[in-house]
Amino acid sequence: AQKVTQAQTEISVVEKEDVTLDCVYETRDTTYYLFWYKQPPSGELVFLIRRNSFDEQNEISGRYSWNFQKSTSSFNFTITASQVVDSAVYFCALSPTRGNQFYFGTGTSLTVIP
Amino acid sequence: DVKVTQSSRYLVKRTGEKVFLECVQDMDHENMFWYRQDPGLGLRLIYFSYDVKMKEKGDIPEGYSVSREKKERFSLILESASTNQTSMYLCASSLQGGSYNSPLHFGNGTRLTVT
Repeated sequence: AQKVTQAQTEISVVEKEDVTLDCVYETRDTTYYLFWYKQPPSGELVFLIRRNSFDEQNEISGRYSWNFQKSTSSFNFTITASQVVDSAVYFCALSPTRGNQFYFGTGTSLTVIP
Repeated sequence: DVKVTQSSRYLVKRTGEKVFLECVQDMDHENMFWYRQDPGLGLRLIYFSYDVKMKEKGDIPEGYSVSREKKERFSLILESASTNQTSMYLCASSLQGGSYNSPLHFGNGTRLTVT
């Protein structure tokens, strides 16, 4: 079975605080990809990052960083020094290498308060 | 940049009407997808297509059909709209397979209300 769990439904932080969005996945596939998407109020999901199951290196892109731990089946996303523009719904997704399907979590709604 | 365009941002239809949601992408992507997004349920796959005239059922295909006559266009059809199909509908496209899974590129969504 393929499943992605984002246990945090809603998070509110004050601007400049750091915030971590959790993502836990389940899969029996040995090779797969993990993704994070951002959905701002405008509605369009924007691709943020892709990570394959063989690459456990953490990644940093500006204020964004991602921590992939295969041992705990987690792919967490941290925003450092949050800004109001970070307010959005964030989705984590799993895509097994076989086939073209994506399995999305239920999303975490982040509100950054000025 | 890939552009995925959904023909309507908002639609209001009556129960029993036949509804067409259109999606066009301009980057020659092989794969196209239709999702619906509901609060607390995330994105659920309705149908996808990996080639012209090809279609595969997703997780919730009941009450929907699709059409892909041209590579760039993927239509979602509600044969007889019902109130439980009130939702946000998202179209997406991606490159075919290869050695990695290409990310999905999404349209802005169509918010459909069935009254």
